[in-house]
Amino acid sequence: NAGVMQNPRHLVRRRGQEARLRCSPMKGHSHVYWYRQLPEEGLKFMVYLQKENIIDESGMPKERFSAEFPKEGPSILRIQQVVRGDSAAYFCASSPSGSEAFFGQGTRLTVV
Amino acid sequence: AQTVTQSQPEMSVQEAETVTLSCTYDTSESDYYLFWYKQPPSRQMILVIRQEAYKQQNATENRFSVNFQKAAKSFSLKISDSQLGDAAMYFCAYRTPFGNEKLTFGTGTRLTIIP
Repeated sequence: NAGVMQNPRHLVRRRGQEARLRCSPMKGHSHVYWYRQLPEEGLKFMVYLQKENIIDESGMPKERFSAEFPKEGPSILRIQQVVRGDSAAYFCASSPSGSEAFFGQGTRLTVV
Repeated sequence: AQTVTQSQPEMSVQEAETVTLSCTYDTSESDYYLFWYKQPPSRQMILVIRQEAYKQQNATENRFSVNFQKAAKSFSLKISDSQLGDAAMYFCAYRTPFGNEKLTFGTGTRLTIIP
């Protein structure tokens, strides 16, 4: 059973471009969580999704950020019109309901 | 809202010695889970140990053990016989056991092992 797969591992975008981060949960996991880790800080919750539904997006910035977890395919975190402050490591975690989450290796986004 | 506080930004320990990392949290819930995660330079988040709040017995995993003080809302991690591979950032985290299982993390403690 492969772990949580995130790609790309590293992503460089110019200011104003779009960033798409992908997360494939572990087999059988229907819950996906996205976290952001700014340099030298802990992880901060962004959004919680189940298949085709956003359950909790209380940690998501109101503008430019969106997330989806379609019936088929990976979960996508999308950042439009990136700015320097979006540079961070973005982690995805998946779980079956009621159990601890397993983390991917993260995507490091650098905005230049 | 729940908060998690790690008051030690950095700690160091001599190889083979014991070190304790501190964590306090604030919640109005009576049932919850607490975790310690390790993040080495590879950035991978690795679960070290987990504690259910309803269990009075402190969790242990080989060289790792916790001191869970529910009344004081304290959850420290003890690493015995420290090894070079233990060098990493350590994050304390909290979550409720029902429904939305999002984690609330502390700001982390960077642990250095001195050979």
